Amino acid sequence: AQSVTQLGSHVSVSEGALVLLRCNYSSSVPPYLFWYVQYPNQGLQLLLKYTTGATLVKGINGFEAEFKKSETSFHLTKPSAHMSDAAEYFCAVSADNQGGKLIFGQGTELSVKP
Amino acid sequence: DADVTQTPRNRITKTGKRIMLECSQTKGHDRMYWYRQDPGLGLRLIYYSFDVKDINKGEISDGYSVSRQAQAKFSLSLESAIPNQTALYFCATSDTGPAKNIQYFGAGTRLSVL
Repeated sequence: AQSVTQLGSHVSVSEGALVLLRCNYSSSVPPYLFWYVQYPNQGLQLLLKYTTGATLVKGINGFEAEFKKSETSFHLTKPSAHMSDAAEYFCAVSADNQGGKLIFGQGTELSVKP
Repeated sequence: DADVTQTPRNRITKTGKRIMLECSQTKGHDRMYWYRQDPGLGLRLIYYSFDVKDINKGEISDGYSVSRQAQAKFSLSLESAIPNQTALYFCATSDTGPAKNIQYFGAGTRLSVL
């Protein structure tokens, strides 16, 4: 079985500060990992994904995440927050034996203060 | 036009009523999904369909039914709505093959059951 835990339901940063959103996963097989972003009144949009290969993956809007197998983590970072980054962020896991189904974390709401 | 379209965007209904949420897509994907989103719980899978003749229950299918009318259309029904089905509902699609784990979401339907 697979599961995802996002640490912190709310994170607040100042504009220009580092953004760090934490995600830990559990999977008995090699995982595929995703970060999705949800802006107010919109659906989810893929931010970045890890399937195989390079463990540091870059996504849209300056975000990146690093797959650390030993720590079962896939934390999302951005060096400098913008006001437009305020949204809810979801980490998700899948695998080859899941037929494309995603298991989502609880979500982290990011607030950016001026 | 959106690739994944959900109708209606908002709906208020009363306990015991039958309601249908509709999803259509122009991405040409075989796979479609219905999720519900509740605060603090992330997205949970209700039903999924890998093609027109293949429909499967997800994590929380009780109280829901689905119909895959065509490759492009996947409807979710609440036969007798109850207040704890008040939530934000999302439809998603995905391709097969190497890209099967990437899901594309509609804008959501906000349902309130009074």
